[in-house]
Amino acid sequence: DAGVIQSPRHEVTEMGQEVTLRCKPISGHNSLFWYRQTMMRGLELLIYFNNNVPIDDSGMPEDRFSAKMPNASFSTLKIQPSEPRDSAVYFCASSQNLLGRADTQYFGPGTRLTVL
Amino acid sequence: GDSVTQMEGPVTLSEEAFLTINCTYTATGYPSLFWYVQYPGEGLQLLLKATKADDKGSNKGFEATYRKETTSFHLEKGSVQVSDSAVYFCALDGGSQGNLIFGKGTKLSVKP
Repeated sequence: DAGVIQSPRHEVTEMGQEVTLRCKPISGHNSLFWYRQTMMRGLELLIYFNNNVPIDDSGMPEDRFSAKMPNASFSTLKIQPSEPRDSAVYFCASSQNLLGRADTQYFGPGTRLTVL
Repeated sequence: GDSVTQMEGPVTLSEEAFLTINCTYTATGYPSLFWYVQYPGEGLQLLLKATKADDKGSNKGFEATYRKETTSFHLEKGSVQVSDSAVYFCALDGGSQGNLIFGKGTKLSVKP
């Protein structure tokens, strides 16, 4: 398997622009997670889906952030409008959770976002 | 709620030194426990895990034993290499919600 695929790997944009990050989870995995990592705040869970349904979005910073999972093989994280403080590395991860127990999460390589 | 506490870094060691990174947890029940490693510029990857008390997870010379009595899952390696320089994250199974709860990470630097 190719692992979790994220695109783009790097994104540089200007404040106020819309940014869309994309993720393709590992085939057969039923849970998908979006994280944000910065030096100041460390690794933060933004939102996660189980069977394409959002389970917990309490980590989403504010209404400027939205995430969708239209099918089992694709998810997007959108920031509109973007701000400089959104600059971070965004990771997507997927796992195969059975019987309500969390199992190993497999992380993508991340998208490094810079908002000028 | 459930939580993970791991030792603050950074940790700096010389090559071939012994490594211990402490991790303790607070949880109801008996969650699975994980150690992840993040090399510079990469995503996190699973290093080892243990699913029940007294289990020992091991990989690449690293070991950690699930200690229910002390609610701990300390990471150890007998002889570190420069290539082990990375950030190490302890995590636990968040239960029926299906998520993992991560510690803040410990940065390890190994000098030749």
